[in-house]
Amino acid sequence: NAGVMQNPRHLVRRRGQEARLRCSPMKGHSHVYWYRQLPEEGLKFMVYLQKENIIDESGMPKERFSAEFPKEGPSILRIQQVVRGDSAAYFCASSPLDQAGETQYFGPGTRLLVL
Amino acid sequence: TQLLEQSPQFLSIQEGENLTVYCNSSSVFSSLQWYRQEPGEGPVLLVTVVTGGEVKKLKRLTFQFGDARKDSSLHITAAQPGDTGLYLCAGGETSYDKVIFGPGTSLSVIP
Repeated sequence: NAGVMQNPRHLVRRRGQEARLRCSPMKGHSHVYWYRQLPEEGLKFMVYLQKENIIDESGMPKERFSAEFPKEGPSILRIQQVVRGDSAAYFCASSPLDQAGETQYFGPGTRLLVL
Repeated sequence: TQLLEQSPQFLSIQEGENLTVYCNSSSVFSSLQWYRQEPGEGPVLLVTVVTGGEVKKLKRLTFQFGDARKDSSLHITAAQPGDTGLYLCAGGETSYDKVIFGPGTSLSVIP
């Protein structure tokens, strides 16, 4: 059973470009969470999604950031017009329906560098 | 607003020593999780504690959930260099809440 997959592992963008980060949850998991981590810091919650629904996006910046989890395919975190302050590691986690919020399994992360 | 605090922030010890790290909050959590994260990798779940007063053991690691479900501790016996990493605690008020992470304890075990 494959774990949570994230790609790309590393992403370099210039200021003003768009970044698309992908997350494939573990098989059978219907809940996806996105977090951002800066060096030497803990994880900051961004958004919680179920299939085709955003459940909680209280941690998402109001502008430039969006997330989706379509019926088919991976969850996507999209950052438009990136700025240097967006440079961070972005982690996706998934959990099964009956353990949502209690047990999350993390992917390896995407490290975004904005030049 | 829920907050989780962890202490100490940094810890450097010699191989073979024992240590305890703490996770505290003013909020009650339905469960708390402990993760270990190594550089360049995602957090790996170590344990979930659910019942107040619960104690779980994982080899040389002992996890305790406070009676009031507001705090937790992680005790490592005879630490080894392989224990080096960032230890994160996380929890939610209900099982369907978003999970809040503490800032982590960075542990370094020196051979």
